[in-house]
Amino acid sequence: EVRLLESGGGLVQPGGSLRLSCAASGFTFRTYAMGWVRQAPGKGLEWVSLITGGGGSTYYADAVKGRFTISRDNPKNTLYLQMHSLRADDTAVYYCAKCGGSGAGLDWLDLWGQGTQVAVSS
Amino acid sequence: EIVLTQSPGTLSLSPGESATLSCRASQSVASNYLAWYQQSPGQAPRLLIYGASIRATGVPDRFSGSGSGTDFTLTISRLEPEDFAVYYCQQYANSLTFGGGTKVEIK
Repeated sequence: EVRLLESGGGLVQPGGSLRLSCAASGFTFRTYAMGWVRQAPGKGLEWVSLITGGGGSTYYADAVKGRFTISRDNPKNTLYLQMHSLRADDTAVYYCAKCGGSGAGLDWLDLWGQGTQVAVSS
Repeated sequence: EIVLTQSPGTLSLSPGESATLSCRASQSVASNYLAWYQQSPGQAPRLLIYGASIRATGVPDRFSGSGSGTDFTLTISRLEPEDFAVYYCQQYANSLTFGGGTKVEIK
């Protein structure tokens, strides 16, 4: 079964750190670019970050640049998002998503996980 | 950054009717690199359309996408109960951005 399963969300204080993980199964993970998209409570979708299939190129939204780092472990079929200096406006459901194209970069997102909740509050 | 503006914000329709959703870009979206997603309450988004008009695997043919340049449309013919949801457009020509969404609700 083709699937993405996020973990690592939780409650963290402002200024804190958190690492999200996304376990992929059912497809050749290393072939595809992967990304993170978040959704604040009651709001729309916001792209966060993307990494190419081989991991050589990464992209970030301006809102998280310098604070978040995306990475992947292809032998483990796992995607990560390391988040530092968290702020209240980072509170959201974070979705892991698979890109639909060649793995080389920016694409549509054809497979989504169910999301993991991140809450930043004191 | 390409800003995507979706309209209307909310569309109130009855089952069996057709829906026309608009997505307007602040600048031309190269190569029609535009996708549409459906999100039902409490669920993850689901890809419907990519390349402006290519239906994703398993998407019913009552969903169709059209447009080019700065103006794109998602049309849902013969609304089914499960089609009442929020729809987002997304461009992937210049970084990635999403529109603000259109909610299709039951009238």
